[in-house]
Amino acid sequence: IQLTQSPSLLSASVGDRVTLSCKGSQNINNYLAWYQQKLGEAPKLLIYNTNSLQTGIPSRFSGSGSGTDYTLTISSLQPEDVATYFCYQYNNGNTFGAGTKLELK
Amino acid sequence: EVKLVESGGGLVLPGASLKLSCIVSGFTFSDYWMRWVRQAPGKGLEFIGEIKPDGSKTNYAPSMKGRFTISRDNAKNTLYLQMSSVRSEDTATYYCATIFDYWGQGVMVTVSS
Repeated sequence: IQLTQSPSLLSASVGDRVTLSCKGSQNINNYLAWYQQKLGEAPKLLIYNTNSLQTGIPSRFSGSGSGTDYTLTISSLQPEDVATYFCYQYNNGNTFGAGTKLELK
Repeated sequence: EVKLVESGGGLVLPGASLKLSCIVSGFTFSDYWMRWVRQAPGKGLEFIGEIKPDGSKTNYAPSMKGRFTISRDNAKNTLYLQMSSVRSEDTATYYCATIFDYWGQGVMVTVSS
């Protein structure tokens, strides 16, 4: 399964509602996770099984979707959210999307 | 405290072999599927493969089959990645991870003559 993330680069302001997209080449059956990776750090799990928030992750992060289309939403962008975000499917094999780089406007 | 510490990276010649290790502490290693993921400089994440808790089964990404071998020693809380016939495209930071819960900080492998 190939994953296509869009946009590849997103500029937004503090307080903005931000939406990141991840589309699969086949049905992912909700076996989709989202990771945040800051520069020089290992990835950190935010969301698993489409919409389950990992322990310790702020509630401004949420996930949704079904079938082939999935979304990560940040309800109110904070400066510490500047990072690259990757989606990951584990329904059929294991693949990552190419990432969305989120920067402050 | 959970720790995953990768080692064994560095500069390696094209065509050579290399074995990475990942020593784990702070959780019950033998309960978890373990994975290797890599990231080329400035690029995205790439799944390499995974191994069952008891070591009896491995799965690899199609592009990784043949040159990469994952193994584990539960008595030593250690995960391994054997890399053979390395090429420049294998230059990357290699992470060991449970994928969902715990990740190491990564080890850099540079393939260059």
